[in-house]
Amino acid sequence: AQSVTQLDSHVSVSEGTPVLLRCNYSSSYSPSLFWYVQHPNKGLQLLLKYTSAATLVKGINGFEAEFKKSETSFHLTKPSAHMSDAAEYFCVVSPNTGTASKLTFGTGTRLQVTL
Amino acid sequence: GAVVSQHPSWVICKSGTSVKIECRSLDFQATTMFWYRQFPKQSLMLMATSNEGSKATYEQGVEKDKFLINHASLTLSTLTVTSAHPEDSSFYICSAPKKTVFYEQYFGPGTRLTVT
Repeated sequence: AQSVTQLDSHVSVSEGTPVLLRCNYSSSYSPSLFWYVQHPNKGLQLLLKYTSAATLVKGINGFEAEFKKSETSFHLTKPSAHMSDAAEYFCVVSPNTGTASKLTFGTGTRLQVTL
Repeated sequence: GAVVSQHPSWVICKSGTSVKIECRSLDFQATTMFWYRQFPKQSLMLMATSNEGSKATYEQGVEKDKFLINHASLTLSTLTVTSAHPEDSSFYICSAPKKTVFYEQYFGPGTRLTVT
């Protein structure tokens, strides 16, 4: 069984300040973890993924996340927020079994970026 | 990367009619595809797994006779919402896994269904 908890439903930051979106996971397997971003009425775009290689993962648009097994966390960070980062962010877990497995989505965090 | 398309991008239909949504993997083959629905301001909920050459696997609580899935080829899966009702109005998203070093899911852009 697997599950994902996104600890904040809504995060508001000022442009130019750091972003932290929190995610905790539970998995019976050694999981793969993903962060996706969704802009209004759009599909999902992959920001970054962890698949049991380096624990610090760098993604697109300056985002990165660190896999911490001891804390079962995979928090998403960005040093400096931009207005275009305003969107919905989903933390996703999948069993890292090498097969096309089902994804389990967190409930999402809405990031608001203010001037 | 890989590309997954959906058609139509949005559709409005009358209550009681059926609507078909297509999901295509444009540059890779997918023996499995996944269908999700997303209500406004909510997360994606997996509805079913579409399997090429066999029956779809539905998640608990999803009516298989209402949401008909056909995986017609290695690049096409269709979701038909039969006898649609206003409560079926939602954003429907498909994904298809492509294996490189591992399996990565590629998502379609979604289909907005409004039932009047």
